[in-house]
Amino acid sequence: NAGVTQTPKFQVLKTGQSMTLQCAQDMNHNSMYWYRQDPGMGLRLIYYSASEGTTDKGEVPNGYNVSRLNKREFSLRLESAAPSQTSVYFCASSEVGTAYEQYFGPGTRLTVT
Amino acid sequence: AQSVAQPEDQVNVAEGNPLTVKCTYSVSGNPYLFWYVQYPNRGLQFLLKYITGDNLVKGSYGFEAEFNKSQTSFHLKKPSALVSDSALYFCAVRPRGDDKIIFGKGTRLHILP
Repeated sequence: NAGVTQTPKFQVLKTGQSMTLQCAQDMNHNSMYWYRQDPGMGLRLIYYSASEGTTDKGEVPNGYNVSRLNKREFSLRLESAAPSQTSVYFCASSEVGTAYEQYFGPGTRLTVT
Repeated sequence: AQSVAQPEDQVNVAEGNPLTVKCTYSVSGNPYLFWYVQYPNRGLQFLLKYITGDNLVKGSYGFEAEFNKSQTSFHLKKPSALVSDSALYFCAVRPRGDDKIIFGKGTRLHILP
């Protein structure tokens, strides 16, 4: 039982390049989330998916797109990376229902130069 | 606007002493309340949550949290701190019926040997 896995662990991009961050969970959770973590800012929600086939914007969605490929996988795409997107990205999942806690992946550290 | 406040960026405690990490929130209704811990270069780990009932909630690693409805606070506590408790702690609030969680900015806890 691996929980929530993310790839890659580290990535360096040049401004304007694109990439996809991958996330998978093996806990049969319906809800999945993408966050970014910046110093002094806490965690900010980028996008989330309440169930397979649905996605919704969070607090900071600009510059990102997501795909809920199936129940297990939720990817985050940067179409044209900008230095402001330098951050640590976390994927999380949870059971449906607001009383449930979220389980987090180990993170992807992205640097855009 | 709904928000979560962790008023201390950093808390220093001597090993063996009790510790408190503060959290207050401004969210309508009766939200669910969570604490997470983040160790260096790791994802967030769930510590404990308050749903309903007893105002004192016990969680992992000997941590507990006290819910105070009148003060809209959910402070994290531990009777005797360990050096290994040094980490970044996040308070989070989830409004009932909402898929999204609101995170505080985090408090860095340093336990001094």
